[in-house]
Amino acid sequence: DQQVKQNSPSLSVQEGRISILNCDYTNSMFDYFLWYKKYPAEGPTFLISISSIKDKNEDGRFTVFLNKSAKHLSLHIVPSQPGDSAVYFCAANPQRKGAQKLVFGQGTRLTINP
Amino acid sequence: DAGITQSPRHKVTETGTPVTLRCHQTENHRYMYWYRQDPGHGLRLIHYSYGVKDTDKGEVSDGYSVSRSKTEDFLLTLESATSSQTSVYFCATQDRARGGTEAFFGQGTRLTVV
Repeated sequence: DQQVKQNSPSLSVQEGRISILNCDYTNSMFDYFLWYKKYPAEGPTFLISISSIKDKNEDGRFTVFLNKSAKHLSLHIVPSQPGDSAVYFCAANPQRKGAQKLVFGQGTRLTINP
Repeated sequence: DAGITQSPRHKVTETGTPVTLRCHQTENHRYMYWYRQDPGHGLRLIHYSYGVKDTDKGEVSDGYSVSRSKTEDFLLTLESATSSQTSVYFCATQDRARGGTEAFFGQGTRLTVV
């Protein structure tokens, strides 16, 4: 049973516009949520995280929103740039401390068109 | 970039043979992880380590074993490889125990079991 779901396998956005990537989860015990970005033939790299006690976290062009009642989070990228083209993974951590046993979604491939 | 090296980067092996993948880090991070990435599943945790000789199972540990005899090395062993273990394997490290802390990933090992 997939506890973290990214229901859009792909997303295409024009350069300069906003990209919105969505993620749903089922386990209300998740304590932290993280977004990772992955280029082909490379490992994932961390983008941004949010604690379950917050509803928004912003870092430059990247903002993550958390809606706990809906068990939904989203990553907003604005403005979108060609270098943002990658696969984005949503992940959840059930633990506040200790080893991060991350549960990942399936990923969304974002393509930024010039 | 965290100094994480995975070896080999690519391997083709026959069903029933043992295989060991190596992860080497130079950052002195306490926590280390092995994930596998498969289409439609994102990344799934196989095993993790919270210190030298301290390891535990993840979500998909059947058929895998790990060892960590030194802080810098985390080995993943497939005792008897099966075709279902064809995948891309990622090692990750983490230094702090706080839930939203980023994990640093290696570049991955593509394993094909024929």
